[in-house]
Amino acid sequence: KQEVTQIPAALSVPEGENLVLNCSFTDSAIYNLQWFRQDPGKGLTSLLLIQSSQREQTSGRLNASLDKSSGRSTLYIAASQPGDSATYLCAVRREGYNNDMRFGAGTRLTVKP
Amino acid sequence: DAGITQSPRHKVTETGTPVTLRCHQTENHRYMYWYRQDPGHGLRLIHYSYGVKDTDKGEVSDGYSVSRSKTEDFLLTLESATSSQTSVYFCAISERTGGEQYFGPGTRLTVT
Repeated sequence: KQEVTQIPAALSVPEGENLVLNCSFTDSAIYNLQWFRQDPGKGLTSLLLIQSSQREQTSGRLNASLDKSSGRSTLYIAASQPGDSATYLCAVRREGYNNDMRFGAGTRLTVKP
Repeated sequence: DAGITQSPRHKVTETGTPVTLRCHQTENHRYMYWYRQDPGHGLRLIHYSYGVKDTDKGEVSDGYSVSRSKTEDFLLTLESATSSQTSVYFCAISERTGGEQYFGPGTRLTVT
C-alpha cells in the first residue's frame, strides 16, 4: 500500500522568500506524481504532473522534482507572494494502478506581506 | 478551468435516507472519479469510471454506488446515509488513464 507524507503540515514565510515543500512516498514503483493547490472551501487546482521517467517539471515560479529511488518529491516556489497562500497537496499513482491516486495530507502555506 | 460542475453544492440529510450527488463535465473526458476529503485522512478515492457503464471501486467504496449512463455525468449514491459519510465530496476528470486530473468545486454533505 502506498503511503504519502507531507512535511511540514504548516509553513509560514515572509513575502519574497523562496521555499520548498516536501512529499515522500513509501513505494518507489510509481507511475507519476501530481502537485495540487487547494484554497479554503474550494476544489483542487492542478499545478504540475511529473511522470516517473522525469526528474523535474517547471511552470512559472514553480519547480517540482522527483527522486523515485529515495521516494521523494519537492515543490520549489520562487519569490513567494501572498496569493500563494493555500494548502499544497501531492498525490502519487503506483505502477499498474493508474487510476488509484493516493494523496498526502497537505502543507498549509501562509505567505505574509 | 476544466468544465466540471457538482450538484448540489451543500446538502444536509438525515441518517438512513438515500442521497445522490451529481458530477457533470463538458470536456468529454473518458475518466471520472469520486473522492471524499476528511480531516486527518486527506482525499480518498471512492469509485471511478473509465467509460459509459464502466466503473470500478476505489479505496473507500463501502456504502457507495455509482452510475454513468452518459459520458458527461457521473452519479454517486449513498443508499442509506450514515453520519460517517459526512464529508466533502469531490469529482475529478481525466482524459486518459493516469493522466492529469482536474477537480470540481466539491459538495459538502452533512448527515445528521
